Amino acid sequence: AQTVTQSQPEMSVQEAETVTLSCTYDTSESDYYLFWYKQPPSRQMILVIRQEAYKQQNATENRFSVNFQKAAKSFSLKISDSQLGDAAMYFCAYRSAKETSGSRLTFGEGTQLTVNP
Amino acid sequence: DTEVTQTPKHLVMGMTNKKSLKCEQHMGHRAMYWYKQKAKKPPELMFVYSYEKLSINESVPSRFSPECPNSSLLNLHLHALQPEDSALYLCASSHLRTSGTGNEQFFGPGTRLTVL
Repeated sequence: AQTVTQSQPEMSVQEAETVTLSCTYDTSESDYYLFWYKQPPSRQMILVIRQEAYKQQNATENRFSVNFQKAAKSFSLKISDSQLGDAAMYFCAYRSAKETSGSRLTFGEGTQLTVNP
Repeated sequence: DTEVTQTPKHLVMGMTNKKSLKCEQHMGHRAMYWYKQKAKKPPELMFVYSYEKLSINESVPSRFSPECPNSSLLNLHLHALQPEDSALYLCASSHLRTSGTGNEQFFGPGTRLTVL
């Protein structure tokens, strides 16, 4: 079974600064997908960024980028120029490429990010 | 339309009540999911429907009964719930692709359920 570990229960960052959230995972599979979801106080889960394991290039979405290290099974999220609206719980999630009956997600425990003005 | 909607937003029910949660999407997704989420915890998968058929049941108690009337709708029928069932119930949907992009799950805003 796959596991996802987020070792930082809480993080804080100053507005306009950069912060990196850590995520490691354990799997015996070679083909899979990794996601970062954001859940603000409204509790709506919002997809932030996606990475396909077969792609060596790190995914980027505006101020959000990942550092995907497949051999190390590490998938960290970097938020640049942090904004107050980035304050949320961030979940790292894993999905096997083998699933054919719906994409079961395995979530980490989450990192609560606070952005200080 | 890239939205998953859920009704009601809030629900308070007694342990003897019967109620239903509703989820709807119009993105052409053929996989739909129910999750339960406690405060400050990740979502826990409950059920998965693919092509309107139940494909995954994560050993959920029978007091939770899912239903998928068509490819756009997903219901969760609740009966004889316990106070520990109080949580946020999230619905999600996705394509059924197994490779490439477009397989991410889109989540609804959730229903906050309180069982008294």
